[in-house]
Amino acid sequence: AQSVTQLDSQVPVFEEAPVELRCNYSSSVSVYLFWYVQYPNQGLQLLLKYLSGSTLVESINGFEAEFNKSQTSFHLRKPSVHISDTAEYFCAVSENTGNQFYFGTGTSLTVIP
Amino acid sequence: ETGVTQSPTHLIKTRGQQVTLRCSSQSGHNTVSWYQQALGQGPQFIFQYYREEENGRGNFPPRFSGLQFPNYSSELNVNALELDDSALYLCASSYLTSLGGYEQFFGPGTRLTVL
Repeated sequence: AQSVTQLDSQVPVFEEAPVELRCNYSSSVSVYLFWYVQYPNQGLQLLLKYLSGSTLVESINGFEAEFNKSQTSFHLRKPSVHISDTAEYFCAVSENTGNQFYFGTGTSLTVIP
Repeated sequence: ETGVTQSPTHLIKTRGQQVTLRCSSQSGHNTVSWYQQALGQGPQFIFQYYREEENGRGNFPPRFSGLQFPNYSSELNVNALELDDSALYLCASSYLTSLGGYEQFFGPGTRLTVL
């Protein structure tokens, strides 16, 4: 079974500043990687995913994440955050042998005006 | 194309009672997974159904059970409710991508409170 670690439970950042949310997973077997965003009292929305190919993946709203196999990491970054980015962010991993998703404990991003 | 829907949105039960939560999967998706998200935690995998058969289970006791119907909608049943069952229950429907991984789409969740 996978273990997913999100090292920062809370990240406050000023508007228009850059941000990085860290995610590490436990296994070096072939995996698929995801970032989900959750707004208060809502379900999870897929932000971006890595299935294969380029290790740098991007979302439509300016987030990007880079798959680093040697460091078993999939950190999420944005060069300039907006107030609307305030939410809970979850990193998730699934192995290519199955379709169970393993989630981290989440990082609460708060953008300060 | 409709997304994943869940009902009810909120539910309050007492210890020892039984509850049934419902999920309608996204059109074209034949796989449904259920997750429990306790307050301040990430979602924990309960089980998955593929074409009406259980296709994987997490570390949850047998009093958590499920069904999937021919139209791929699904139910989660929890018997003998305990206080620790209070959580947001998320349903996700998924499909196998051309690249080999599954992509999951989540519903808004059902908030269960056990008193």
